[in-house]
Amino acid sequence: KAGVTQTPRYLIKTRGQQVTLSCSPISGHRSVSWYQQTPGQGLQFLFEYFSETQRNKGNFPGRFSGRQFSNSRSEMNVSTLELGDSALYLCASSLGDSSNQPQHFGDGTRLSIL
Amino acid sequence: GQQVMQIPQYQHVQEGEDFTTYCNSSTTLSNIQWYKQRPGGHPVFLIQLVKSGEVKKQKRLTFQFGEAKKNSSLHITATQTTDVGTYFCAGRVRGGSNYKLTFGKGTLLTVNP
Repeated sequence: KAGVTQTPRYLIKTRGQQVTLSCSPISGHRSVSWYQQTPGQGLQFLFEYFSETQRNKGNFPGRFSGRQFSNSRSEMNVSTLELGDSALYLCASSLGDSSNQPQHFGDGTRLSIL
Repeated sequence: GQQVMQIPQYQHVQEGEDFTTYCNSSTTLSNIQWYKQRPGGHPVFLIQLVKSGEVKKQKRLTFQFGEAKKNSSLHITATQTTDVGTYFCAGRVRGGSNYKLTFGKGTLLTVNP
């Protein structure tokens, strides 16, 4: 069974630009969660999607948004990029409720803002 | 703000020594999960604890969930170099109308061979 796939693996952008990250969950998994990982803050929850609906949202500004498609694939968008957005963005999928079932993480997209 | 605190932030041990990381929450957790992230890798699920006072073992790893369901620990007996990585706890807390997982900041374990 293929694991969680995230594309691209690396991305370099400049301040003010926008970016879209993609996540393909494990086949059959309907929940996709996004996390931002930085050395100082650890893993911070961005949002969770289940059956194309945002089920939960973390404490991030509105510049961070996401969506989920009918095939459970998810995208995350960050607009008006800031230097502080440099981080590893991890996507995780689970069969159902991500807070009550094992989450399977992808390898992440490392975003660098210049 | 961060509701799940994890200590210590770093731990360096000699191979063969034991290691423990602790997770504490300001609120009661409905469950707690543990993950391991190897350097350069992604978090990998280890276990989920649900019941008050629950203890689970995986070979040299022992996981405990406190009686009040506000704290948890992961203990590794006789560490090996393969245990190197960051160990995260994640507690299930209510966030609005749904539950969400809140991760601790992790404990980075290094092992001197």
